[in-house]
Amino acid sequence: AQKITQTQPGMFVQEKEAVTLDCTYDTSDQSYGLFWYKQPSSGEMIFLIYQGSYDEQNATEGRYSLNFQKARKSANLVISASQLGDSAMYFCARGPNFGNEKLTFGTGTRLTIIP
Amino acid sequence: NAGVTQTPKFQVLKTGQSMTLQCAQDMNHEYMSWYRQDPGMGLRLIHYSVGAGITDQGEVPNGYNVSRSTTEDFPLRLLSAAPSQTSVYFCASSYGGAQGGNTIYFGEGSWLTVV
Repeated sequence: AQKITQTQPGMFVQEKEAVTLDCTYDTSDQSYGLFWYKQPSSGEMIFLIYQGSYDEQNATEGRYSLNFQKARKSANLVISASQLGDSAMYFCARGPNFGNEKLTFGTGTRLTIIP
Repeated sequence: NAGVTQTPKFQVLKTGQSMTLQCAQDMNHEYMSWYRQDPGMGLRLIHYSVGAGITDQGEVPNGYNVSRSTTEDFPLRLLSAAPSQTSVYFCASSYGGAQGGNTIYFGEGSWLTVV
């Protein structure tokens, strides 16, 4: 199985600081997509950001950016200026580049923002 | 998560009982998937479908059955519930192929307890 590894089970970050959540992945495919999802305590899955393997630029979505290092098979999520509402579980996932019927998820990182 | 509806939201089953988790989407998506989420495990793929009449197994298919008779519906059947199937179940849908891009819609989840 092609694995997604999130090595930080939990993180505590001071409000307004930037935070980096780590994600590495296994793959033998040339074409794939990388996703980050947020799961608050209410349980829903909220899409944050996507990076295609052939995208030359790192993806950005508002306060979220994805630090994509293809040779290292790394796709870290960077949240700038963290807010209390950012406290949640964060999941990295990998899927086919075209078609998203089967994602492989990491085990997640629980982020807690401290006021 | 407008567009993907899961029912029921909560269910308690006795060991050996069978039940069906319903998933419906009104966006004419080709791709639909079922995941389960256990504590500390992230989401794992149970079954998926790339179109009406087509289904395939994911990472953890044992004990579950699916069918896709229409584009809109993708029910997940538990054949003989076991305590190990206590989990949160998520249904997801998206467009297929190059049109799929990065947009995956998740249902709100179904909390299942098997006693």
